[in-house]
Amino acid sequence: AQKITQTQPGMFVQEKEAVTLDCTYDTSDQSYGLFWYKQPSSGEMIFLIYQGSYDEQNATEGRYSLNFQKARKSANLVISASQLGDSAMYFCAMRHPRFTTQGGSEKLVFGKGTKLTVNP
Amino acid sequence: DSGVTQTPKHLITATGQRVTLRCSPRSGDLSVYWYQQSLDQGLQFLIQYYNGEERAKGNILERFSAQQFPDLHSELNLSSLELGDSALYFCASSVDSGNSYNEQFFGPGTRLTVL
Repeated sequence: AQKITQTQPGMFVQEKEAVTLDCTYDTSDQSYGLFWYKQPSSGEMIFLIYQGSYDEQNATEGRYSLNFQKARKSANLVISASQLGDSAMYFCAMRHPRFTTQGGSEKLVFGKGTKLTVNP
Repeated sequence: DSGVTQTPKHLITATGQRVTLRCSPRSGDLSVYWYQQSLDQGLQFLIQYYNGEERAKGNILERFSAQQFPDLHSELNLSSLELGDSALYFCASSVDSGNSYNEQFFGPGTRLTVL
């Protein structure tokens, strides 16, 4: 079964410092995708970054980078130069393309999340 | 703004009642996913529709049902509501071309409170 584990319920970081949010996953499939989403206190889910299982390079999007270690089944999110606006819940998620008798399905499986607090 | 709209934003109702949550996907997206976010269960996949037909089911209760209409908007119906159904319900849409990378765009969510 697919499973995402985020072991850090809460993290604190000083403004302008870098922080790493941990994510490990469990799958027996070869083809899958890993996502990070940010959920501020307002509640919306904001897509941050994606890593495909066959991607050879770690994904980067601005201040976000994904430290992908396939053999260890980890996909940690690194936020550089933290800002006060980065304070939020962060969710790691995994998706396998699945084909049922009705066709393709790509549901996301989420971890429990990490609450990041950026201190001034 | 993700392009996915959900109404209403907030819903307060009593136990035993029935409510309908509405979602309009991004233009061009054929797939709609429904997720429930609660304090004890976290974010869970409920059900997926693709171009009007059910594609996949997750941990959706029998008291819940959904459908997707010809204009591709979707509705999630929750009946015989219980206190434990209080949660944030998200709709997400995607093109779902069969690639592992098809970003799901989330709507702002509907916060349901059952009293």
